[in-house]
Amino acid sequence: EAQVTQNPRYLITVTGKKLTVTCSQNMNHEYMSWYRQDPGLGLRQIYYSMNVEVTDKGDVPEGYKVSRKEKRNFPLILESPSPNQTSLYFCASSFQTSNQPQHFGDGTRLSIL
Amino acid sequence: AQSVTQLGSHVSVSEGALVLLRCNYSSSVPPYLFWYVQYPNQGLQLLLKYTSAATLVKGINGFEAEFKKSETSFHLTKPSAHMSDAAEYFCAVVANTGNQFYFGTGTSLTVIP
Repeated sequence: EAQVTQNPRYLITVTGKKLTVTCSQNMNHEYMSWYRQDPGLGLRQIYYSMNVEVTDKGDVPEGYKVSRKEKRNFPLILESPSPNQTSLYFCASSFQTSNQPQHFGDGTRLSIL
Repeated sequence: AQSVTQLGSHVSVSEGALVLLRCNYSSSVPPYLFWYVQYPNQGLQLLLKYTSAATLVKGINGFEAEFKKSETSFHLTKPSAHMSDAAEYFCAVVANTGNQFYFGTGTSLTVIP
C-alpha cells in the first residue's frame, strides 16, 4: 500500500529537549515536504526536498532542520524546541514536477511545554 | 509569489443542498491549483487539481472546480451535499515553475441533516 508514515503520532516534551520526527514514503517520490498546521493559519510549509541531498526552506523554517540522505526518508529535527513549535505536523511526498499532488501522512501532534 | 485566500472559515449547508467553497489565488506566473479534504485526525487527501488543461476539473466524491483566470478563482462545488462531506477543505497553489506550495487557511464544512 502506498503511504507516507510519520512517527511518532503524538509527543509531549519539554523546552530545549532535542527531538526528531521521522517521515518515510514507499512510492519512490523525489519530492518531500514538511508542513505545520495551526488553527486559523492553515498549512505552512517548513522545508521541502527535491531529491536526495537537496533541501530548501519553505515559509517557516526557523527552529527546524531537515536532512535527505535517502530518497524514502525525510526527518524533521527540532534541535531546541520551544512552546511556539507546539503544532500539528504533516509530512508529504510527490513525484518531482510541481503539477503532481502530494500524498500526506497522518500527522504528528507535538506539544512542547 | 503565490498565495491563496479562502473566503469563509466555516460553511454550513443542508443535506442535499449545493456546496460552494471559495478560493481565490494570487500568482505572478501560471499556477497549478489543488483542493484537498481533511477528515478529523487524518492527513489531507487530494480532491482535484488544475494543471492548465481543462478549466473545469472534476474530482472525487462528486466535487468539481472551475479555474477562472479573469477572476483569479478556483471555487469548489458539489451539487448535493452529503453528510459524509463534513470535513475541512484546503485550497493550495504552486507556480508551474516552482516547488513551494501555499495553502489557504481552510474552510470547515458542516452538513445539517
